[in-house]
Amino acid sequence: EIVMTQSPATLSVSPGERATLSCRASQSVSSSLAWYQQKPGQAPRLLIYDTSTRATGIPARFSGSGSGTEFTLTISSLQSEDFAVYYCQQCNNWPRTFGQGTKVEIK
Amino acid sequence: QVQVVQSGAEVKKPGDSVKVSCKASGYTFTRYSISWVRQAPGQGLEWMGWISGYDGNTNYAQKVQGRVTVTTDTSTNTAYMELRSLRSDDTAMYYCARDVSITRGFLDYWGQGTLVTVSS
Repeated sequence: EIVMTQSPATLSVSPGERATLSCRASQSVSSSLAWYQQKPGQAPRLLIYDTSTRATGIPARFSGSGSGTEFTLTISSLQSEDFAVYYCQQCNNWPRTFGQGTKVEIK
Repeated sequence: QVQVVQSGAEVKKPGDSVKVSCKASGYTFTRYSISWVRQAPGQGLEWMGWISGYDGNTNYAQKVQGRVTVTTDTSTNTAYMELRSLRSDDTAMYYCARDVSITRGFLDYWGQGTLVTVSS
């Protein structure tokens, strides 16, 4: 099973600042990596798929990069609605696996 | 528009079984798959299983294999997840989500979740 490791566990950021979240895979997943945002009491929402493609309706301040085993989600200028938990997921190996999440909180 | 609607909350006793439904609309059901993901209270996301809407092929996480069965009814565009021999640590929110393809398995539309509580 591919283990997905996210860092940091918690990221404290001020509104308007940049946030950089990392996701590492225990073996190559090529570019089959997705990012999800989850707010309290809500289902996860797809942000990014295929490493860097924004899902429908996702603002341009969200961007993804990487390949192989190292991936990054960047939020260029945090808005109040961006404070949430973010998960990465590898999408082309069985079993599908998620990272443990990074909580982005208000500094 | 694409919608995925799940059945309501369940309370079960240890050893019981639960069957959660997931009704899809707004797209051709047989062109996509469905994945099931659960989230224990205060914990992260755990992928449980997958079923092809096209041919009914399945794939399960080893942790629940042998206790879980995922099925579809293409006449009603509904997927089902049955979990047997429930334990207290199966208490979680269970989500179904549309899975785009076997090689690009990201989840683009999610159900609202079904809370399953296992308690004696």
